[in-house]
Amino acid sequence: GAVVSQHPSRVICKSGTSVKIECRSLDFQATTMFWYRQFPKQSLMLMATSNEGSKATYEQGVEKDKFLINHASLTLSTLTVTSAHPEDSSFYICSARTQREVGELFFGEGSRLTVL
Amino acid sequence: AQSVSQHNHHVILSEAASLELGCNYSYGGTVNLFWYVQYPGQHLQLLLKYFSGDPLVKGIKGFEAEFIKSKFSFNLRKPSVQWSDTAEYFCAVNAGGYNKLIFGAGTRLAVHP
Repeated sequence: GAVVSQHPSRVICKSGTSVKIECRSLDFQATTMFWYRQFPKQSLMLMATSNEGSKATYEQGVEKDKFLINHASLTLSTLTVTSAHPEDSSFYICSARTQREVGELFFGEGSRLTVL
Repeated sequence: AQSVSQHNHHVILSEAASLELGCNYSYGGTVNLFWYVQYPGQHLQLLLKYFSGDPLVKGIKGFEAEFIKSKFSFNLRKPSVQWSDTAEYFCAVNAGGYNKLIFGAGTRLAVHP
């Protein structure tokens, strides 16, 4: 199957700093990438849909100025958590869709963010 | 709004026991349905999917799921589980041609030898 890689897998930062998480599709071009957030013992909550070359579409309740998403190329999307606070601590997962498989997503390994 | 409900949050089974994990969704139109699995320390990966056709779908590792439209259900089954099936299982729905998947809360399965 298609491979999606996230980096970093773990990051610890101080409150007020910004953190960037990268999501790369390694062996395919991803016109669409998705960012999910997973709280402990809960499901994946879609944060935003990222389309290459255009602005991301955010889900209701997700602050676009806080969670900046950039999808500059067909193989890379980035999520920047700006001015992070402890409540932003979570597990962030990206996924990407190949053009040939409508609906099916391939997931990155996730990035655990801890804000002190 | 679309939603996905997984009834069992934790399931504990012995090896060779049969498994059925429930999944119900709320949407009246055309749906694409998925089961994803996350083994400890690994990525989410696709177990099986239903787009159209035969409502009984066979996936990897001996899993199958049945789409029952009248019940808005897509339950996952395996006749005989193994210790290696210990993982978290997520049901997901892509409905109405929307671009995104909606996930259920997940079911954590523990299989004891």
